[in-house]
Amino acid sequence: DTGVSQNPRHKITKRGQNVTFRCDPISEHNRLYWYRQTLGQGPEFLTYFQNEAQLEKSRLLSDRFSAERPKGSFSTLEIQRTEQGDSAMYLCASSPRDRGHEQFFGPGTRLTVL
Amino acid sequence: AQKVTQAQTEISVVEKEDVTLDCVYETRDTTYYLFWYKQPPSGELVFLIRRNSFDEQNEISGRYSWNFQKSTSSFNFTITASQVVDSAVYFCALSKAGTASKLTFGTGTRLQVTL
Repeated sequence: DTGVSQNPRHKITKRGQNVTFRCDPISEHNRLYWYRQTLGQGPEFLTYFQNEAQLEKSRLLSDRFSAERPKGSFSTLEIQRTEQGDSAMYLCASSPRDRGHEQFFGPGTRLTVL
Repeated sequence: AQKVTQAQTEISVVEKEDVTLDCVYETRDTTYYLFWYKQPPSGELVFLIRRNSFDEQNEISGRYSWNFQKSTSSFNFTITASQVVDSAVYFCALSKAGTASKLTFGTGTRLQVTL
């Protein structure tokens, strides 16, 4: 199995711009998670999908954030009108149907908002 | 609410020393899972272990061992004979049991192993 992949790996943008990140989970993993990690902190949960259904969203996910998983495979996370406080590493993880509590993480997308 | 505390921000050891990373958790759930992840400088989180709350048996995997004590809400991680390649940030995490659930992470402990 190839691991979880995320694109782009790095994104630099200006405040106010929109950005979109993509996550490709491990093949046949039905659950997909997004987390955000700021410097010196542990990852914080943002949202979670089971197949194409978004089952949970953190209150950290303001109305500027939206996530989709249209066909139950890859997922996108969009941030509209970026702010400097959005600068962080955005991590994606996936887990298989039979071992739902083992989350396998991708390399992350590092966002820098200038 | 769930909470994970890793009081040790940074630990430095010399190669071949043993080192223990502490983790204390809080949860109101009667069943839950505990995890340890490693984050090397490359940034990708690597899964190390999952422990069920109803299984307090300690576990050993090579140079790694884990001590789960429900009475003190602790899940400590020991590396025996540390190596330079063990240098990384280590995260303890907690999730509800029953269905797949989000992870609540601690703030991590940075381990630096030098020659």
